[in-house]
Amino acid sequence: DTGVSQDPRHKITKRGQNVTFRCDPISEHNRLYWYRQTLGQGPEFLTYFQNEAQLEKSRLLSDRFSAERPKGSFSTLEIQRTEQGDSAMYLCASRTDRGHSPLHFGNGTRLTVT
Amino acid sequence: DAKTTQPNSMESNEEEPVHLPCNHSTISGTDYIHWYRQLPSQGPEYVIHGLTSNVNNRMASLAIAEDRKSSTLILHRATLRDAAVYYCILRDENYGGSQGNLIFGKGTKLSVKP
Repeated sequence: DTGVSQDPRHKITKRGQNVTFRCDPISEHNRLYWYRQTLGQGPEFLTYFQNEAQLEKSRLLSDRFSAERPKGSFSTLEIQRTEQGDSAMYLCASRTDRGHSPLHFGNGTRLTVT
Repeated sequence: DAKTTQPNSMESNEEEPVHLPCNHSTISGTDYIHWYRQLPSQGPEYVIHGLTSNVNNRMASLAIAEDRKSSTLILHRATLRDAAVYYCILRDENYGGSQGNLIFGKGTKLSVKP
């Protein structure tokens, strides 16, 4: 169990640029979640995959955000035309299908939009 | 989702027990009580969960009130490494949508003094 891996750990970008983050879940976990966390707040749910199917998207996920999990393994989160309000920590988590199984989180990608 | 109420912050001395309270007066019969913690610069980490009975694991104990409207996370001997934000979360295991999704509040920031 190597844990959930996220890349990059930090990203600084200029407003209007596109950014893409990657998440590698624990290998046998078929459920994958993306969250966003701003300073002083708890993580907020963005979207959820079961295998390659994106089953739910939060209202927080504007049309500038898109997430994929093409082969049911790793996932990417892309933000187009970044805005300063997108500055946050983006967290990925995964879990198995077994009932009550906990979420395993990565250490996140911290995005700063200047 | 049913909501939880936690104190914003608590302090503890090293090597003393810590009792972190959580109120969840609108809990439903299918809600499990989950606790996660988030150390500085890391993603959240699963601590413990339970439904009705008290639960123990290597990290902590969870004491659940008989009416299930409150619970307490117990750290038996706090260490400096336990300084973190602790989140109490209700998760409906029967929710047909984003099963396993967690709705985080602001949690309790625990400080541990040497």
